[in-house]
Amino acid sequence: DAKTTQPNSMESNEEEPVHLPCNHSTISGTDYIHWYRQLPSQGPEYVIHGLTSNVNNRMASLAIAEDRKSSTLILHRATLRDAAVYYCVAYSGAGSYQLTFGKGTKLSVIP
Amino acid sequence: DVKVTQSSRYLVKRTGEKVFLECVQDMDHENMFWYRQDPGLGLRLIYFSYDVKMKEKGDIPEGYSVSREKKERFSLILESASTNQTSMYLCASRRPRSPYEQYFGPGTRLTVT
Repeated sequence: DAKTTQPNSMESNEEEPVHLPCNHSTISGTDYIHWYRQLPSQGPEYVIHGLTSNVNNRMASLAIAEDRKSSTLILHRATLRDAAVYYCVAYSGAGSYQLTFGKGTKLSVIP
Repeated sequence: DVKVTQSSRYLVKRTGEKVFLECVQDMDHENMFWYRQDPGLGLRLIYFSYDVKMKEKGDIPEGYSVSREKKERFSLILESASTNQTSMYLCASRRPRSPYEQYFGPGTRLTVT
């Protein structure tokens, strides 16, 4: 899996949009970009994935750069419940089934 | 929604005890995983099962064994618990095809005293 780089921490005001960046400059053509988040004392939660095109689901949006070397997870209106560590993973899944999380970004949401 | 459940959220055991952690998923996923998560060490794979009765060792299988007799259930066994097995244990499942997203249980915080 390609190495990913994320900021250690970010802050957002409640009900504001949040853009969480991730660099994955060594991503291969078969790697999907996955995002997971982990609330305190909980298991990781799958958020969204993408390959080349931007993606939306009920939790978030994923914007993928044209060269696929970076991506941004967008939370449209941050809530207190979104305070978590967010992990970006570039993952092919077929050969290397193990997920490897980096340090992730700790998102704090200010009321 | 996919649901992965684990038998306990918190568990306290004594050194030398045999410990069973159970995981059940309701989405008919073929693949299931056991990880442990420790501060500063990230997620580490203990065992992986790609189907019923099939298993593969992960990075840190020593001191653990697993059982997968039914598709929905994957058990982790600590044969003789030791204090260095105090950790958060996470079960996950997925379909064996792209995009291979994994769904995790809530975790079991195991303390061995």
